[in-house]
Amino acid sequence: QVQLKESGPGLVQPSQTLSLTCTVSGFSLTSNSVHWVRQPPGKGLEWVGAIWSGGSTDYNSALKSRLSISRDTSKSQVFLKMNSLQTEDTAIYFCTARSYLWWGQGVMVTVSS
Amino acid sequence: DVVLTQTPPTLSATIGQSVSISCRSSQSLLHSNGNTYLNWLLQRPGQPPQLLIYLVSRLESGVPNRFSGSGSGTDFTLKISGVEAEDLGVYYCVQSTHAPRTFGGGTKLELK
Repeated sequence: QVQLKESGPGLVQPSQTLSLTCTVSGFSLTSNSVHWVRQPPGKGLEWVGAIWSGGSTDYNSALKSRLSISRDTSKSQVFLKMNSLQTEDTAIYFCTARSYLWWGQGVMVTVSS
Repeated sequence: DVVLTQTPPTLSATIGQSVSISCRSSQSLLHSNGNTYLNWLLQRPGQPPQLLIYLVSRLESGVPNRFSGSGSGTDFTLKISGVEAEDLGVYYCVQSTHAPRTFGGGTKLELK
């Protein structure tokens, strides 16, 4: 059974770094890409970035300078790191795979002092 | 980056009514390999999105056949033939032809 589960701090202070983990089961990271998508409260979906099955990455153009996505295939985990956080980064962060077929439940991240 | 424009932003429908949602792209979504990577998702309140249609018109397994997708190039349409209560929520198109991936702004389907 395929599962994706996001984890990370619910509250981050402005200018700090956000670190999120997506732990997957039921499929291999070396055969599937994993994407991060975020959703500010009451707003639409925004593609954040992806790590491909071969390990290369792609990022949202507007976030590229602050964003890093990596993985540990032995632990079936994908990591998102975003620095210099601002209040506009407050959102639910989802990880998803298989062309948006599989989704985690999301983790709410609030940027506030 | 590719911009996807969805219209209308809000759609009011009665149960049983047929409705359509448009998704227009700023660039052709036809990939050099001949595929067009345009998907449709539905997000119900408080839930992660659900994949309905992929590659423009292919229905994901388990999705009712009242949903259908069509289009090519830059113009795409999602049609619901006979809205049911469980169809209410926000619909998004998303393209995977070009990097970076991008989503449309969403269309909220509500009861009239």
